[in-house]
Amino acid sequence: GAVVSQHPSRVICKSGTSVKIECRSLDFQATTMFWYRQFPKQSLMLMATSNEGSKATYEQGVEKDKFLINHASLTLSTLTVTSAHPEDSSFYICSATRGTGLNEQFFGPGTRLTVL
Amino acid sequence: EDQVTQSPEALRLQEGESSSLNCSYTVSGLRGLFWYRQDPGKGPEFLFTLYSAGEEKEKERLKATLTKKESFLHITAPKPEDSATYLCAVLGRAAGNKLTFGGGTRVLVKP
Repeated sequence: GAVVSQHPSRVICKSGTSVKIECRSLDFQATTMFWYRQFPKQSLMLMATSNEGSKATYEQGVEKDKFLINHASLTLSTLTVTSAHPEDSSFYICSATRGTGLNEQFFGPGTRLTVL
Repeated sequence: EDQVTQSPEALRLQEGESSSLNCSYTVSGLRGLFWYRQDPGKGPEFLFTLYSAGEEKEKERLKATLTKKESFLHITAPKPEDSATYLCAVLGRAAGNKLTFGGGTRVLVKP
């Protein structure tokens, strides 16, 4: 149990376009989902926290208008990178908690975004 | 502010050579300490949760222990497939649901 999927696994886009990344909890209902960004050989950097039906809470320094997060259901959250630029190229990872009080976050496989 | 420091940054082991990874933490009210394994180009894979000092958990060749200031991940007789980055994270009382991660330890096990 506790499987999280992400789609797509890789995406290459042109500068100025928008890219949507989906995160799904496959076998549980996720009360909270998280979006992280990871640079090569570095640890995870939390971008935002989202709860189903609520606005996402963004970390300091993360642009809300650039990284749009929608948590439409208990099994789906989306991250849209708007007007992407080469500096947005990174590895984006989502995670989800089951809300059972055990607090473990289960991570998706990640999405590699390359902006040309 | 919660802080997590992992050491060493990198570890090279021969197959069968047991070793330990350290995770030192400061947190206001520990709600959980988590160990994850991350392979290159993939998301972290959940390994263990520890909640209180003295607690230990095992999974195959891995054993995690916890004190009030640090956690250790012991790798017994490692195999090349244990090569990965191991991440430690804490959840503090004041942090809501947000984990604080350490920088990770990159482990390479040579056959």
